[in-house]
Amino acid sequence: EDQVTQSPEALRLQEGESSSLNCSYTVSGLRGLFWYRQDPGKGPEFLFTLYSAGEEKEKERLKATLTKKESFLHITAPKPEDSATYLCAVQEGGGFKTIFGAGTRLFVKA
Amino acid sequence: DTEVTQTPKHLVMGMTNKKSLKCEQHMGHRAMYWYKQKAKKPPELMFVYSYEKLSINESVPSRFSPECPNSSLLNLHLHALQPEDSALYLCASSQEGQGVGVQYFGPGTRLTVT
Repeated sequence: EDQVTQSPEALRLQEGESSSLNCSYTVSGLRGLFWYRQDPGKGPEFLFTLYSAGEEKEKERLKATLTKKESFLHITAPKPEDSATYLCAVQEGGGFKTIFGAGTRLFVKA
Repeated sequence: DTEVTQTPKHLVMGMTNKKSLKCEQHMGHRAMYWYKQKAKKPPELMFVYSYEKLSINESVPSRFSPECPNSSLLNLHLHALQPEDSALYLCASSQEGQGVGVQYFGPGTRLTVT
């Protein structure tokens, strides 16, 4: 069964304290892996797409990487405005569904 | 512009009411989606329309009825809902058909069933 597992469930950081979020997945053939940011009561906001192992994407303080079994979202020197839930989602090669992980809730304290 | 709009923002309805949620995109995307999201949970896929045809129905109860009148518009008709249907309902669209590719989400409709 296709699965997406994110860890940790919640992460509390001090401003400037870098860390990483993990997304491990089990799919029969990866078509694409997506990272989204979601603020409370709002829709997810697209951050990155990764398609193949070894691929990396960066945007401001965020960097996403992909291996054959997992993806990491690295946050460098976070600020309080980075506080949000970060969702990982995968699409498998043979199907049309997007499977979301449960998310990591990030809290950054000033 | 990657905007998906949803109306209304908030909706309170009784269990005997009939109401509709509306979603619109003008990006020329060929796939549109409805998701349901409960608090502190990930979005759950309900329906996918690809090229204006229903391609995925995730065994959603018949009290939810989707409609895609044209390539830019997606509706979700609600009837005889239960309190457990209270949630954030998200619409999304993607450029590619068949449910593939990056999905752009609207802000959601917060639904409360009393």
